[in-house]
Amino acid sequence: AQKVTQAQTEISVVEKEDVTLDCVYETRDTTYYLFWYKQPPSGELVFLIRRNSFDEQNEISGRYSWNFQKSTSSFNFTITASQVVDSAVYFCALRGIIQGAQKLVFGQGTRLTINP
Amino acid sequence: NAGVTQTPKFRVLKTGQSMTLLCAQDMNHEYMYWYRQDPGMGLRLIHYSVGEGTTAKGEVPDGYNVSRLKKQNFLLGLESAAPSQTSVYFCASSYSELSDTQYFGPGTRLTVL
Repeated sequence: AQKVTQAQTEISVVEKEDVTLDCVYETRDTTYYLFWYKQPPSGELVFLIRRNSFDEQNEISGRYSWNFQKSTSSFNFTITASQVVDSAVYFCALRGIIQGAQKLVFGQGTRLTINP
Repeated sequence: NAGVTQTPKFRVLKTGQSMTLLCAQDMNHEYMYWYRQDPGMGLRLIHYSVGEGTTAKGEVPDGYNVSRLKKQNFLLGLESAAPSQTSVYFCASSYSELSDTQYFGPGTRLTVL
């Protein structure tokens, strides 16, 4: 079965602190894709990153970085020097098989609050 | 490009009423999806479409029907609404299936009384 677990339901930090959002996944596929999406208070879902299972290189984009480790089935997301605008719900997702077809499986989400 | 749009943004129904949610995309994407988002459960796939005229069931299809008569539109119907269908509904589209990123609409908040 395909599954994504985001064990942190809510995180609250003070602005400028670094924060890491955890994502652990389960899959039997050898080829798969992992995603992170951001859902700000306005409600829309914003794509942040896609990573395929053959590429374990970490990625950095400005204050955002992602650590993909196949050995621990984790795809963690770190925000450096957090800002109030980073407050949102963040979803990790896995391209998995539902009803015999490849579909996105979402984690439960982590609500991140950055306090000024 | 408007991307993915959804109408309406908000709707309140009484139990037993019917309604249709409209999703439109202007990116010429083949694949379209309907999800529902409930507190603490992330997003769950209701139905999806791999092209014009085709639809398929996702994780939680019961109580919903869909149609894809035109490539750019994907309709989600509730024939007889139930309080359990109170949720936020998101439509998404992607160019291809396997690895492609899904782009989401702004969501529709539906309340069934």
